[in-house]
Amino acid sequence: EPEVTQTPSHQVTQMGQEVILRCVPISNHLYFYWYRQILGQKVEFLVSFYNNEISEKSEIFDDQFSVERPDGSNFTLKIRSTKLEDSAMYFCASSLGEQFFGPGTRLTVL
Amino acid sequence: GEDVEQSLFLSVREGDSSVINCTYTDSSSTYLYWYKQEPGAGLQLLTYIFSNMDMKQDQRLTVLLNKKDKHLSLRIADTQTGDSAIYFCAERVGGGYQKVTFGIGTKLQVIP
Repeated sequence: EPEVTQTPSHQVTQMGQEVILRCVPISNHLYFYWYRQILGQKVEFLVSFYNNEISEKSEIFDDQFSVERPDGSNFTLKIRSTKLEDSAMYFCASSLGEQFFGPGTRLTVL
Repeated sequence: GEDVEQSLFLSVREGDSSVINCTYTDSSSTYLYWYKQEPGAGLQLLTYIFSNMDMKQDQRLTVLLNKKDKHLSLRIADTQTGDSAIYFCAERVGGGYQKVTFGIGTKLQVIP
């Protein structure tokens, strides 16, 4: 069964560093998403992406964040200058209708 | 805006039924979902119900939707230890590309 994959599973970085989280969505899906879950809190929507552009973004998704689909298969989330409060589990999802989620990348900012 | 609330914890004995409850605020929700998250794993779509339905059954899972009260429940019959996980209620307003809004998740503990 096709699935969404994410790499790395765990990323540790220093505050102020740039990180890129990678996702490979299900191949025939058209919509792509990033969500995050800070420990002990709800899963929060960050951004949706369709037809090579952002469809919707939340208040969390500020200028420090960007997304890209560089090669037709990968979907990336870049955080330019990480802050301590960016530490969270980041989930990628893709859909044609229902959203299927990847296993997540745990980002730890020290 | 959308908000989804659910209790944090539920403990049941193996073989009993589990009922996980959820309330949501947006009456224009089109789909309501249950996702399961096992330790260290991602969010697995368990089942969903369209807002014009009031019940959906899928093997051991029964979803009940009370649209008037904006209440959703997930019943797991004959709960097994493998059902121990966090269960997230979620809603989607609008078309298939729209974001999903999650509850905080209910941790189900199944006691052997």
